[in-house]
Amino acid sequence: AQKITQTQPGMFVQEKEAVTLDCTYDTSDQSYGLFWYKQPSSGEMIFLIYQGSYDEQNATEGRYSLNFQKARKSANLVISASQLGDSAMYFCAMRVWVRNTGFQKLVFGTGTRLLVSP
Amino acid sequence: GAGVSQSPRYKVAKRGQDVALRCDPISGHVSLFWYQQALGQGPEFLTYFQNEAQLDKSGLPSDRFFAERPEGSVSTLKIQRTQQEDSAVYLCASSLLEGGSTEAFFGQGTRLTVV
Repeated sequence: AQKITQTQPGMFVQEKEAVTLDCTYDTSDQSYGLFWYKQPSSGEMIFLIYQGSYDEQNATEGRYSLNFQKARKSANLVISASQLGDSAMYFCAMRVWVRNTGFQKLVFGTGTRLLVSP
Repeated sequence: GAGVSQSPRYKVAKRGQDVALRCDPISGHVSLFWYQQALGQGPEFLTYFQNEAQLDKSGLPSDRFFAERPEGSVSTLKIQRTQQEDSAVYLCASSLLEGGSTEAFFGQGTRLTVV
């Protein structure tokens, strides 16, 4: 089964500190993509970072980096120098092929609520 | 606008009422997805359109749910005879190319509350 597991319902971090949000995934596919999205209270899903299954280097986007450990099937998000505006829900997602259809869909975890304190 | 637009942002429906949720994808985007996000959960796939063709509707929870995209742009998700378990945020996403292999852009969602 294609599944994303986020075991941290909530995380607290002080402003300017770094924080790691955990994500493990399960798939038998060789080709897949891993994403992190931020969902503020306004509701939209904001794309943060992407890692392809064949990418050897860990992805980085500004203050965001993805710690990809393929053998462990983990794709943790690291946010450096946290800011108050980082407080939101964070979702890990995997893009997978839907069998016999020719398209890919996103499978999401249950999310982690991050609270950044001053 | 430049992004994916959904309307209404909020909808309160009495149990048994029919509702229609609208999604305006980014112009020219071929792929369109609907996801359902229950409270405290991650989004779950409902259905996929490639232009006007609905290629997969395996995620629709029951035959009360119906989606269409008749001209390959705007899409409507209709829920007939709403039930309390239909209360959720409904998210629409579009991506440029067929197959959903390019970046998905999400709307702000429609929060449906069935009372």
